[in-house]
Amino acid sequence: DQQVKQNSPSLSVQEGRISILNCDYTNSMFDYFLWYKKYPAEGPTFLISISSIKDKNEDGRFTVFLNKSAKHLSLHIVPSQPGDSAVYFCAASGGFGNEKLTFGTGTRLTIIP
Amino acid sequence: EAQVTQNPRYLITVTGKKLTVTCSQNMNHEYMSWYRQDPGLGLRQIYYSMNVEVTDKGDVPEGYKVSRKEKRNFPLILESPSPNQTSLYFCASSTLIGYEQYFGPGTRLTVT
Repeated sequence: DQQVKQNSPSLSVQEGRISILNCDYTNSMFDYFLWYKKYPAEGPTFLISISSIKDKNEDGRFTVFLNKSAKHLSLHIVPSQPGDSAVYFCAASGGFGNEKLTFGTGTRLTIIP
Repeated sequence: EAQVTQNPRYLITVTGKKLTVTCSQNMNHEYMSWYRQDPGLGLRQIYYSMNVEVTDKGDVPEGYKVSRKEKRNFPLILESPSPNQTSLYFCASSTLIGYEQYFGPGTRLTVT
């Protein structure tokens, strides 16, 4: 039962263009969402997060959008750079008091120079 | 430097031979967790710990044990490893549940 889904296993984007990574969830109790980035041979590193009380959070080139009614979130990277090539995981939590962080299956982003 | 360390980074073993993967963090985090990453399945939680002597099962705890005798250490124990435990394992820690977790570099385990 995959509660957090990333339906695109891979995505290729031209350098300088916008990358959009998508994530869907099924559990309406989730109220905090995170994106992690993973390079080969390294552990995932935190990228950006959003609380369910917001619909957008921005940090430099990275913006996360949350559509609660559709149970959908997306990560926008603009402009995309070669160093953004990595696997991106979205994750969801029920918030403080809920010990579990549920991850999606990941999307491999490749930025084409 | 704030970090989560895991040892060993790579391990090849045989079915049934007990092994321990160590995890240590230097950030005084209360929460620690173990995940396994498998192709097409993402990161799945094995066990987690809210604090010293407090541990609980995640999604895939079968075949694993953990202990939390000290705040900084959270070892993962495979008492009788089997080939289906061949995977990439990550330890993580954080101060607040559900918020930013810091991950170790991973341990690639192969059980033959």
